[in-house]
Amino acid sequence: DAGVTQSPTHLIKTRGQHVTLRCSPISGHKSVSWYQQVLGQGPQFIFQYYEKEERGRGNFPDRFSARQFPNYSSELNVNALLLGDSALYLCASSLVRGVWGEPLNLNEKLFFGSGTQLSVL
Amino acid sequence: GESVGLHLPTLSVQEGDNSIINCAYSNSASDYFIWYKQESGKGPQFIIDIRSNMDKRQGQRVTVLLNKTVKHLSLQIAATQPGDSAVYFCAERLYGNNRLAFGKGNQVVVIP
Repeated sequence: DAGVTQSPTHLIKTRGQHVTLRCSPISGHKSVSWYQQVLGQGPQFIFQYYEKEERGRGNFPDRFSARQFPNYSSELNVNALLLGDSALYLCASSLVRGVWGEPLNLNEKLFFGSGTQLSVL
Repeated sequence: GESVGLHLPTLSVQEGDNSIINCAYSNSASDYFIWYKQESGKGPQFIIDIRSNMDKRQGQRVTVLLNKTVKHLSLQIAATQPGDSAVYFCAERLYGNNRLAFGKGNQVVVIP
Protein backbone atom coordinates (compact mmCIF):
# COMPACT_ATOMS: atom_id res chain seq x y z
CA ASP A 1 0.00 0.00 0.00
CA ALA A 2 1.23 3.46 -0.83
CA GLY A 3 1.90 5.73 2.10
CA VAL A 4 1.52 9.47 2.16
CA THR A 5 3.10 10.87 -0.98
CA GLN A 6 4.34 14.41 -1.40
CA SER A 7 5.59 16.31 -4.40
CA PRO A 8 7.98 17.68 -5.27
CA THR A 9 10.65 16.21 -3.00
CA HIS A 10 12.90 19.24 -3.35
CA LEU A 11 12.26 22.78 -4.49
CA ILE A 12 14.35 25.91 -4.81
CA LYS A 13 12.66 29.30 -4.96
CA THR A 14 13.69 32.92 -4.59
CA ARG A 15 12.32 35.49 -2.20
CA GLY A 16 8.94 36.88 -3.19
CA GLN A 17 7.95 33.88 -5.27
CA HIS A 18 4.98 31.62 -4.72
CA VAL A 19 5.07 27.88 -4.11
CA THR A 20 2.53 25.06 -4.19
CA LEU A 21 3.21 21.79 -2.44
CA ARG A 22 1.10 18.70 -2.98
CA CYS A 23 0.10 15.78 -0.83
CA SER A 24 -1.78 12.56 -1.44
CA PRO A 25 -2.97 10.86 1.74
CA ILE A 26 -3.09 7.16 2.35
CA SER A 27 -6.04 5.67 0.50
CA GLY A 28 -9.17 6.03 2.61
CA HIS A 29 -7.73 8.70 4.89
CA LYS A 30 -9.90 11.78 5.09
CA SER A 31 -7.79 14.04 7.29
CA VAL A 32 -4.67 15.82 6.07
CA SER A 33 -2.39 17.98 8.19
CA TRP A 34 0.56 20.13 7.20
CA TYR A 35 3.63 20.73 9.34
CA GLN A 36 6.73 22.85 8.87
CA GLN A 37 10.03 21.48 10.14
CA VAL A 38 12.95 23.85 10.32
CA LEU A 39 16.38 22.23 10.49
CA GLY A 40 17.15 21.04 14.00
CA GLN A 41 13.61 21.57 15.26
CA GLY A 42 10.48 19.52 15.67
CA PRO A 43 7.59 19.88 13.21
CA GLN A 44 5.29 22.87 13.72
CA PHE A 45 1.58 22.57 12.95
CA ILE A 46 0.32 24.68 10.05
CA PHE A 47 -3.11 23.36 9.01
CA GLN A 48 -5.49 20.47 9.35
CA TYR A 49 -8.16 19.67 6.78
CA TYR A 50 -10.90 17.14 7.25
CA GLU A 51 -13.64 16.41 4.76
CA LYS A 52 -12.43 19.32 2.64
CA GLU A 53 -12.83 21.89 5.40
CA GLU A 54 -10.17 23.64 7.46
CA ARG A 55 -10.35 22.27 10.99
CA GLY A 56 -7.32 23.89 12.53
CA ARG A 57 -4.69 26.50 11.85
CA GLY A 58 -1.35 27.06 13.51
CA ASN A 59 0.47 30.30 14.19
CA PHE A 60 1.45 31.06 10.61
CA PRO A 61 0.85 34.24 8.58
CA ASP A 62 -1.85 34.59 5.96
CA ARG A 63 0.77 33.98 3.29
CA PHE A 64 0.19 30.33 4.07
CA SER A 65 -2.99 28.76 2.75
CA ALA A 66 -4.17 25.28 1.91
CA ARG A 67 -7.07 23.36 0.53
CA GLN A 68 -8.31 19.81 0.30
CA PHE A 69 -9.86 18.32 -2.79
CA PRO A 70 -12.79 15.87 -3.15
CA ASN A 71 -10.32 12.99 -3.45
CA TYR A 72 -8.81 14.14 -0.09
CA SER A 73 -5.51 15.19 -1.60
CA SER A 74 -4.27 18.56 -0.47
CA GLU A 75 -2.19 21.55 -1.53
CA LEU A 76 -0.22 23.94 0.62
CA ASN A 77 0.40 27.36 -0.88
CA VAL A 78 2.89 29.91 0.34
CA ASN A 79 2.96 33.40 -1.14
CA ALA A 80 5.68 36.06 -1.02
CA LEU A 81 8.33 33.61 0.12
CA LEU A 82 10.81 34.69 2.75
CA LEU A 83 14.22 33.22 3.53
CA GLY A 84 12.76 31.97 6.80
CA ASP A 85 10.27 29.80 4.93
CA SER A 86 13.11 27.43 4.05
CA ALA A 87 12.17 24.18 5.73
CA LEU A 88 10.94 20.65 5.28
CA TYR A 89 7.19 20.69 4.74
CA LEU A 90 5.50 17.56 5.98
CA CYS A 91 2.09 16.25 5.15
CA ALA A 92 0.39 13.76 7.44
CA SER A 93 -2.84 11.86 7.01
CA SER A 94 -5.15 9.99 9.32
CA LEU A 95 -8.33 8.08 8.83
CA VAL A 96 -10.32 10.36 11.10
CA ARG A 97 -9.84 13.81 12.50
CA GLY A 98 -8.98 13.13 16.14
CA VAL A 99 -10.04 15.73 18.69
CA TRP A 100 -8.90 16.34 22.23
CA GLY A 101 -11.12 14.79 24.82
CA GLU A 102 -12.85 12.31 22.59
CA PRO A 103 -12.39 8.60 23.21
CA LEU A 104 -9.22 7.25 21.74
CA ASN A 105 -9.72 6.19 18.20
CA LEU A 106 -6.93 4.12 16.80
CA ASN A 107 -7.65 5.66 13.45
CA GLU A 108 -6.38 9.01 14.69
CA LYS A 109 -2.77 8.01 14.21
CA LEU A 110 -0.89 10.40 11.96
CA PHE A 111 1.16 8.95 9.14
CA PHE A 112 3.71 11.31 7.66
CA GLY A 113 5.09 11.61 4.18
CA SER A 114 8.78 12.17 3.49
CA GLY A 115 8.21 15.87 2.98
CA THR A 116 9.14 18.57 0.50
CA GLN A 117 12.43 20.29 1.18
CA LEU A 118 11.94 23.95 0.27
CA SER A 119 14.93 26.23 -0.07
CA VAL A 120 14.33 29.95 -0.46
CA LEU A 121 17.30 31.92 -1.80
CA GLY B 1 3.97 28.10 21.61
CA GLU B 2 5.98 24.99 22.15
CA SER B 3 5.26 23.21 25.39
CA VAL B 4 7.20 20.01 24.79
CA GLY B 5 10.95 19.74 25.23
CA LEU B 6 13.65 17.15 25.54
CA HIS B 7 16.34 17.00 28.19
CA LEU B 8 19.26 15.60 26.16
CA PRO B 9 20.14 16.60 22.62
CA THR B 10 22.25 13.51 21.83
CA LEU B 11 22.34 10.03 23.26
CA SER B 12 25.12 7.59 22.34
CA VAL B 13 24.39 3.99 23.20
CA GLN B 14 26.21 0.73 22.67
CA GLU B 15 24.47 -1.78 20.44
CA GLY B 16 22.51 -4.22 22.56
CA ASP B 17 22.13 -1.84 25.49
CA ASN B 18 18.86 -0.24 26.50
CA SER B 19 18.13 3.38 25.60
CA ILE B 20 16.04 5.88 27.50
CA ILE B 21 14.89 9.13 25.94
CA ASN B 22 13.22 11.71 28.13
CA CYS B 23 10.74 14.45 27.39
CA ALA B 24 9.24 17.16 29.59
CA TYR B 25 5.93 18.76 28.77
CA SER B 26 4.27 21.77 30.34
CA ASN B 27 0.66 21.47 29.15
CA SER B 28 -1.10 19.54 31.89
CA ALA B 29 -4.33 19.39 29.87
CA SER B 30 -2.81 17.41 26.99
CA ASP B 31 -4.59 14.09 26.65
CA TYR B 32 -2.54 12.13 24.16
CA PHE B 33 1.20 11.65 23.67
CA ILE B 34 3.14 10.09 20.85
CA TRP B 35 6.74 9.18 20.12
CA TYR B 36 8.01 9.51 16.58
CA LYS B 37 11.28 8.40 15.01
CA GLN B 38 12.76 10.38 12.14
CA GLU B 39 15.59 9.09 10.00
CA SER B 40 17.56 11.32 7.72
CA GLY B 41 15.58 12.30 4.63
CA LYS B 42 12.36 10.78 5.87
CA GLY B 43 9.23 11.94 7.61
CA PRO B 44 8.48 11.09 11.23
CA GLN B 45 7.52 7.48 11.78
CA PHE B 46 5.02 6.55 14.50
CA ILE B 47 6.54 4.44 17.27
CA ILE B 48 4.11 4.29 20.14
CA ASP B 49 1.42 6.38 21.78
CA ILE B 50 -0.20 6.68 25.18
CA ARG B 51 -3.32 8.31 26.55
CA SER B 52 -3.22 10.54 29.62
CA ASN B 53 -5.26 8.01 31.62
CA MET B 54 -2.42 5.49 31.35
CA ASP B 55 1.06 5.50 32.85
CA LYS B 56 2.73 2.79 30.81
CA ARG B 57 2.36 1.18 27.45
CA GLN B 58 4.52 -1.44 25.79
CA GLY B 59 5.19 -2.24 22.20
CA GLN B 60 7.75 -4.33 20.42
CA ARG B 61 11.09 -3.46 22.11
CA VAL B 62 9.68 -0.08 23.15
CA THR B 63 7.97 1.13 26.29
CA VAL B 64 6.50 4.56 26.93
CA LEU B 65 6.12 5.85 30.48
CA LEU B 66 3.98 8.82 31.43
CA ASN B 67 4.33 10.62 34.74
CA LYS B 68 1.65 13.29 34.89
CA THR B 69 2.70 14.43 38.34
CA VAL B 70 5.96 15.81 37.02
CA LYS B 71 4.81 16.13 33.41
CA HIS B 72 7.39 13.71 32.12
CA LEU B 73 7.35 11.27 29.23
CA SER B 74 10.00 8.72 28.42
CA LEU B 75 10.71 6.20 25.70
CA GLN B 76 12.65 3.06 26.49
CA ILE B 77 14.18 1.04 23.69
CA ALA B 78 15.33 -2.44 24.60
CA ALA B 79 18.38 -4.05 23.00
CA THR B 80 19.16 -1.02 20.85
CA GLN B 81 20.10 -1.85 17.27
CA PRO B 82 21.97 0.18 14.62
CA GLY B 83 18.64 0.74 12.87
CA ASP B 84 17.45 2.64 15.92
CA SER B 85 19.85 5.47 15.13
CA ALA B 86 17.61 8.44 14.39
CA VAL B 87 16.09 11.58 15.88
CA TYR B 88 13.26 10.87 18.29
CA PHE B 89 10.46 13.35 18.93
CA CYS B 90 7.80 13.36 21.56
CA ALA B 91 4.54 15.07 20.72
CA GLU B 92 1.41 15.96 22.64
CA ARG B 93 -2.12 16.73 21.61
CA LEU B 94 -3.01 20.09 23.07
CA TYR B 95 -6.12 20.88 25.02
CA GLY B 96 -9.12 21.92 23.01
CA ASN B 97 -7.86 21.11 19.56
CA ASN B 98 -6.56 18.40 17.34
CA ARG B 99 -3.01 19.45 16.59
CA LEU B 100 0.22 17.93 17.78
CA ALA B 101 2.96 19.95 19.45
CA PHE B 102 6.39 18.42 18.92
CA GLY B 103 9.52 18.76 20.98
CA LYS B 104 12.86 19.66 19.43
CA GLY B 105 14.11 16.12 19.07
CA ASN B 106 16.78 13.90 20.56
CA GLN B 107 19.48 12.33 18.41
CA VAL B 108 20.21 8.69 19.23
CA VAL B 109 23.48 7.25 17.95
CA VAL B 110 23.99 3.52 18.23
CA ILE B 111 27.60 2.43 18.44
CA PRO B 112 28.20 -1.01 16.87
